[in-house]
Amino acid sequence: DIQMTQSPSSLSASVGDRVTITCRASQGISNYLAWYQQKPGKVPKLLIYGASTLQSGVPSRFSGSGSGTDFTLTISSLQPEDVATYYCQKYNSAPLTFGPGTKVDIK
Amino acid sequence: EVQLVESGGGLVQPGRSLRLSCAASGFTFDGYAMHWVRQAPGKGLEWVSGISWNSGTITYADSVKGRFTISRDNAKNSLYLQMNSLRGEDTAFYYCAKGRSTVQAAAFNYWGQGTLVTVSS
Repeated sequence: DIQMTQSPSSLSASVGDRVTITCRASQGISNYLAWYQQKPGKVPKLLIYGASTLQSGVPSRFSGSGSGTDFTLTISSLQPEDVATYYCQKYNSAPLTFGPGTKVDIK
Repeated sequence: EVQLVESGGGLVQPGRSLRLSCAASGFTFDGYAMHWVRQAPGKGLEWVSGISWNSGTITYADSVKGRFTISRDNAKNSLYLQMNSLRGEDTAFYYCAKGRSTVQAAAFNYWGQGTLVTVSS
């Protein structure tokens, strides 16, 4: 099975900072990659699918890139409401594995 | 408005069974694949199982294969997860999630609020 890794596992940044989270697949998955945001005590929310397509209603400060095995989620200007854990997920074929998550908080 | 409402969770002894349900509304249920995802308290997300729009394709995580059975009733707009031979490591919040497509190879654009399953003697 394809394994998903994320780095870093956690980060602390200031409001307004540019934040980058990396997700790597152990084998190529084309662009079958999604990013989810889970705020404390809340249900996961889809941010990006197809590696780079922004889900409707998601602020434009979020963006995704990559293809194959290496992917990136970028928050262009971190806001207090972005405090959350971010997960990548591959969905090209079963198992639809999630990455271990990256916890983002405010410095 | 899309709504996914899970039910059926609770405290169950190891080795016993439990059936989860997910009632869907606000969209054409038989037009989308559906999934179960679980999250142990304080841990990450784990995909459990998925089913295509017409039940033609069903897949499971290795951790539940042979013990869990996913099914759907499109006439009732409902998704189910039959969980047998439950273990302590199955303790988690179980979320019902809607795929963006009829097939399983799509991201999950709506999630239910989850139902907690606790496996303990």
